[in-house]
Amino acid sequence: EDQVTQSPEALRLQEGESSSLNCSYTVSGLRGLFWYRQDPGKGPEFLFTLYSAGEEKEKERLKATLTKKESFLHITAPKPEDSATYLCAVQATGTTDSWGKFQFGAGTQVVVTP
Amino acid sequence: ETGVTQTPRHLVMGMTNKKSLKCEQHLGHNAMYWYKQSAKKPLELMFVYNFKEQTENNSVPSRFSPECPNSSHLFLHLHTLQPEDSALYLCASSQDWAYEQYFGPGTRLTVT
Repeated sequence: EDQVTQSPEALRLQEGESSSLNCSYTVSGLRGLFWYRQDPGKGPEFLFTLYSAGEEKEKERLKATLTKKESFLHITAPKPEDSATYLCAVQATGTTDSWGKFQFGAGTQVVVTP
Repeated sequence: ETGVTQTPRHLVMGMTNKKSLKCEQHLGHNAMYWYKQSAKKPLELMFVYNFKEQTENNSVPSRFSPECPNSSHLFLHLHTLQPEDSALYLCASSQDWAYEQYFGPGTRLTVT
C-alpha cells in the first residue's frame, strides 16, 4: 500500500536556525513528489515538483531534494514568515486507463520565532 | 478573479439541511478535485473530474454529491451530513492529472 510519512510533526526554530523536514514514501512507481506550504485557514500553496532521484529545486530559503525513498525540504536561515505547515504529496504512476493518485502526508508544522 | 476561488468560505449547517459548495478555477485547467482536510490528518481525496468526467470517487458517502458542469466550475452538494463531516473542504485544479494542483482557500464546514 502506498504511504507518505512526514517528520517531524512539528518543528520550532529560532530565526536563522537552518533545519530540514523529511518526507518518506512507499509507492510502487513514482510519477512525482510535490511540496506545498499551507498557512492557517488557507489552502495549500504549491512550492516544488520533483520527478527523479537526485533532482533538486530551490526557491528563496527553501531547497527540496529527492532520493528513491524520501525527500527533504531544507529551510536555510528561516524567517518568521516561513512559519507554516509544509505538506508533501506523492503521485504514483498510472496506467493507460487510470491516473496516478495524489497521496498527501500529514504535514510538518514549522514555527520560526524572532 | 485569479487562481481558484471557493464559496462560501464558512458554512454552518444542521444535519437535516441541504447546501452546496462552489469552486471556480481561472487557470484554464481541465482537472478539478475535492479534498477533505480534518485536523491532524492528511488531505483526503474525495472526487476527481478530468475533462468534466468523474474519474475518481474515493469511497465517499452518498451524502456528498459532486457536480462538474464545465471544466471551470465544480460543486459539492451536501445533504443530511453528520457532525464528523465538519472539516475544511478544499477544491483544487491542475492541467491534466500529471501536474501539480493549485488549491482554493477552502470552505470551513461545521455540522451541528
